[in-house]
Amino acid sequence: DIQMTQSPSSLSASVGDRITITCRASQGIRNDLAWYQHKPGKAPKRLIYAASSLQSGVPSRFSGSGSGTEFTLTISSLQPEDFATYYCLQHNAYPWTFGQGTKVEIK
Amino acid sequence: QVQLMQSGNEVKQPGASVKVSCKASGYTFSSYDISWVRQAPGQGLEWMGWFNAYNGKANYAQKFQGRVTMTTDTSTSTAYLELRNLRSDDTAVYYCARDLPWLSESDYWGQGTLVTVSS
Repeated sequence: DIQMTQSPSSLSASVGDRITITCRASQGIRNDLAWYQHKPGKAPKRLIYAASSLQSGVPSRFSGSGSGTEFTLTISSLQPEDFATYYCLQHNAYPWTFGQGTKVEIK
Repeated sequence: QVQLMQSGNEVKQPGASVKVSCKASGYTFSSYDISWVRQAPGQGLEWMGWFNAYNGKANYAQKFQGRVTMTTDTSTSTAYLELRNLRSDDTAVYYCARDLPWLSESDYWGQGTLVTVSS
């Protein structure tokens, strides 16, 4: 199975901060990676597909980059509604695998 | 609009089976796979597999092989997840999703079904 190592596991940040989350794949996955936002009691929501393409309706402060084994999700200016847990998902090979998640908390 | 409506929460004893349903509306059901993802308390998301309603093909995560069956009923646009021989570590919220993570198409998720395994 492809392992997705996500870091950090949690971070504290303030409104307006720029934050970056990293996912590393145990083997090359081209750009077969998506990013999801998950809030307690809600269903996950996809933010980024194909590693760097912004899902329609998602604010432009979210961006993704990377290819191969290293990927990043950046939020350029953190907003109150962005406090949530973020996951990467590789869909290059079965079984699809999520990263362990990054919980973004208010400082 | 696309909606996925899941069945209600369940409480099961260890060793029992559970069958969670996911009724789809607002699109042609057989045109999309349905994925299943779960989240145990305090844990991250875990992909369980998907089922293709058009050709009946399934792909299960190895971890669940032999204990899981995903099916659909195209006449009612409903997908099902059956998990057998339940253990306490199967306690989780189970989500169905219409999600093609390589495409720009929006993802749609059910509201989640809490399955509690406890004696």
